[in-house]
Parts: sequence; structure tokens; C-alpha cells
Amino acid sequence: DAGVTQSPTHLIKTRGQHVTLRCSPISGHKSVSWYQQVLGQGPQFIFQYYEKEERGRGNFPDRFSARQFPNYSSELNVNALLLGDSALYLCASSLARGRSTDTQYFGPGTRLTVL
Amino acid sequence: EDKVVQSPLSLVVHEGDTVTLNCSYEVTNFRSLLWYKQEKKAPTFLFMLTSSGIEKKSGRLSSILDKKELSSILNITATQTGDSAIYLCAVESTSNTGKLIFGQGTTLQVKP
Repeated sequence: DAGVTQSPTHLIKTRGQHVTLRCSPISGHKSVSWYQQVLGQGPQFIFQYYEKEERGRGNFPDRFSARQFPNYSSELNVNALLLGDSALYLCASSLARGRSTDTQYFGPGTRLTVL
Repeated sequence: EDKVVQSPLSLVVHEGDTVTLNCSYEVTNFRSLLWYKQEKKAPTFLFMLTSSGIEKKSGRLSSILDKKELSSILNITATQTGDSAIYLCAVESTSNTGKLIFGQGTTLQVKP
């Protein structure tokens, strides 16, 4: 079975540009979460989507937005890029079975460098 | 504010040694604690610990949750060079399901 896939693998942008990152969850998983991992730190939660609706949002500015499609894949958009947005962006998928505990499985990430 | 702290931040051992990694947390309405191993990019799931499952073991790795002390340990016995990685601890609360709060990670280097 394929795991979580993300594209692109690497991306180089300049300040002020816009970027779109993509994620496909594990087959059968309905929830996708996005995390930002800056070098030397643990991942920080950005968004969670379930059944195309935003279920949670972390402390990130409005320049960050996301959406989930009917096939449960997801896009993360970042506008007006800043140098500080340089990081590894991780996508995680889970079954999202409601009240029961649910494990998140991570993709390989997209390494974004902002120059 | 919910918080996860891991210690030590880095550790160097030799093959065959046993290591213990620590994770302490402050979270409102605790739901679960997870351990991940991150070698290059994707964090790989190791264990999930909850109130109904406070001890897990898989091969040379084991983990225990101490709900009284609000902490967890990850033990690795007979370490191998392939265990070299960043080990991440994360917690989830019932009031914010789906949001994992991660610690800074512990970087483990196993020398031959």
C-alpha cells in the first residue's frame, strides 16, 4: 500500500512569491493535517482537514491557507513568502474515526527554501 | 498553553548500549502520547500510549506512560547504528483532536 505522498520534494522560491504544496493521503484515510518543521525543532501544527472541512488551525498567519478535495487529497498555500517560511512542510493522514484515538502517518515532506 | 519537553536534546552512544529518552508534557484533557522516529524526512510512527495502553513494546524498543508524572520514556536496548535518528514525542488532547503538539526532539547518534 502506498503511504502518504507529497509533491514537490524540494522547492526554491524568492521572498514575496506564492507556493502550493500537495499531499495525497493513505488510501481510506479521510483526514489530512499539515505541519511546519523548522531545522532543529519539532513539527508545528498548521491545519487539519476532514471531509473537506477545516477541523483545526494552528498559530499561523492568514498567509497560510489550505483546502481538501473530494478525493481527500489536500493543498497548502502560502502567500507573500518570507525568509522565515523556509522549512520542511509535512503532511500527515489519519482515518479520523471520530471519538476513537487515531494515529497520524506522515509523508516525506516538501523542503521549501525562500531566498 | 500545552507543552511538550524532551530530554536530552542529543545523545551519543556506542552500539550495544541501552538508551532512555524522556518526554514530559503539560496538556489540557490528555488523550494520547505518540513517539515517532525521524531519520531523513518523514517521521515514522513508533508507539501510541493512552490511558488504556500505558506500556508498549516492539522488538528492542519499549515505551511507558506515567500519567501521574505526566511523562513518558522510550527505551532502546542493544542499540544499532540504524537507530541513529531524531526521536519525536507528541501529545494530543481531547479538546483539540487531530492537533499533535511536538517536543523539540532528541537526536540520537549510535557509533559503531
